[in-house]
Amino acid sequence: ETGVTQTPRHLVMGMTNKKSLKCEQHLGHNAMYWYKQSAKKPLELMFVYSLEERVENNSVPSRFSPECPNSSHLFLHLHTLQPEDSALYLCASSQDEGDGYTFGSGTRLTVV
Amino acid sequence: GENVEQHPSTLSVQEGDSAVIKCTYSDSASNYFPWYKQELGKGPQLIIDIRSNVGEKKDQRIAVTLNKTAKHFSLHITETQPEDSAVYFCAARETGFQKLVFGTGTRLLVSP
Repeated sequence: ETGVTQTPRHLVMGMTNKKSLKCEQHLGHNAMYWYKQSAKKPLELMFVYSLEERVENNSVPSRFSPECPNSSHLFLHLHTLQPEDSALYLCASSQDEGDGYTFGSGTRLTVV
Repeated sequence: GENVEQHPSTLSVQEGDSAVIKCTYSDSASNYFPWYKQELGKGPQLIIDIRSNVGEKKDQRIAVTLNKTAKHFSLHITETQPEDSAVYFCAARETGFQKLVFGTGTRLLVSP
């Protein structure tokens, strides 16, 4: 596989569930990102990892917990979410000093 | 931090016409400006980018211009085709770490 792969593509979860989103990049990039995309809002940066270390956490609620076990994988662990957390969650990767991001296709999350 | 504004939010054109999308940014030190195209059900895809040492860049039917003095940059699509219909995002890279700040997006509809 090439590029950035996100699984699952769709996820429906109850407010008391715990689930995880997975992202994998096959590009040899050093940085990985989680973005939230809601209707009629700009892409919101959630977390940034560079060389497996978290370098930014944009005031994201603690019900979202990222994990970056190595430079190729990124997870977003979800627990006790709210309906307003329903959105498209996008993963991206880039070289530290390189060009723009390469995005995955996203996980469409619905919280019921 | 950086702030990016994008206009218009929607743009409808006839096939063969040109389309122009404009963005402004706030941080005069920003040095990299990519444009992304997002089709339904997919993640954003990089289509063209420009760096601050260049005023214009062209790739077939698409071009980007940058005015550093006025802090704005634009995407130009000529001879539009129905497959150009998508949401387009501009972005600016903040100085320091490799973090992109995105505009709110423009929905382009090309009618046959």
